[in-house]
Amino acid sequence: AQSVAQPEDQVNVAEGNPLTVKCTYSVSGNPYLFWYVQYPNRGLQFLLKYITGDNLVKGSYGFEAEFNKSQTSFHLKKPSALVSDSALYFCAVRQFSGGYNKLIFGAGTRLAVHP
Amino acid sequence: GAVVSQHPSRVICKSGTSVKIECRSLDFQATTMFWYRQFPKQSLMLMATSNEGSKATYEQGVEKDKFLINHASLTLSTLTVTSAHPEDSSFYICSARQGHEQYFGPGTRLTVT
Repeated sequence: AQSVAQPEDQVNVAEGNPLTVKCTYSVSGNPYLFWYVQYPNRGLQFLLKYITGDNLVKGSYGFEAEFNKSQTSFHLKKPSALVSDSALYFCAVRQFSGGYNKLIFGAGTRLAVHP
Repeated sequence: GAVVSQHPSRVICKSGTSVKIECRSLDFQATTMFWYRQFPKQSLMLMATSNEGSKATYEQGVEKDKFLINHASLTLSTLTVTSAHPEDSSFYICSARQGHEQYFGPGTRLTVT
């Protein structure tokens, strides 16, 4: 079964510094990978996805992620963090089984950007 | 981008009563919608996959008779929590799929007293 792991419960970074939120995956076949962000008491907002093509995927709000097949990773990055980036970030993989497909989420990583 | 709404955003009910949560795709048709549950500071747990015009597919461990799902149209799915108990208190989030992407509603905070 497909799964994703987010090894860090929380990431702290100073405003203006680059940020990385880690995600590794375990899939059979080609992975469909996603990043979402969640602000307090809100639903999830889509940031970016990797389906195929370039390993470096650019998404919303200046975020990008690099698909690394050999390391089975899909880390989320941003060159310069903003305080407003502070939120909960989820990595997800699409699982296909029994004619259905569904998103399986990682545990989430809380990003705290300090002024 | 595609918009998914949920109603209500927050509901408080008494133990033993039933609560209905609506999920609507506002500017697209969704043959498939999903219902998730999120506990504080935890990830989203998929409860069920809702397919328009057919029965929902429930994840293992989710009581289908307690969490009734109806997907009567291409833009509306409902989740009814029947005979709610305090342990059902949670944040419920729906999602609608369009192509490869899923769009999420803003969530419904259910508190059972």
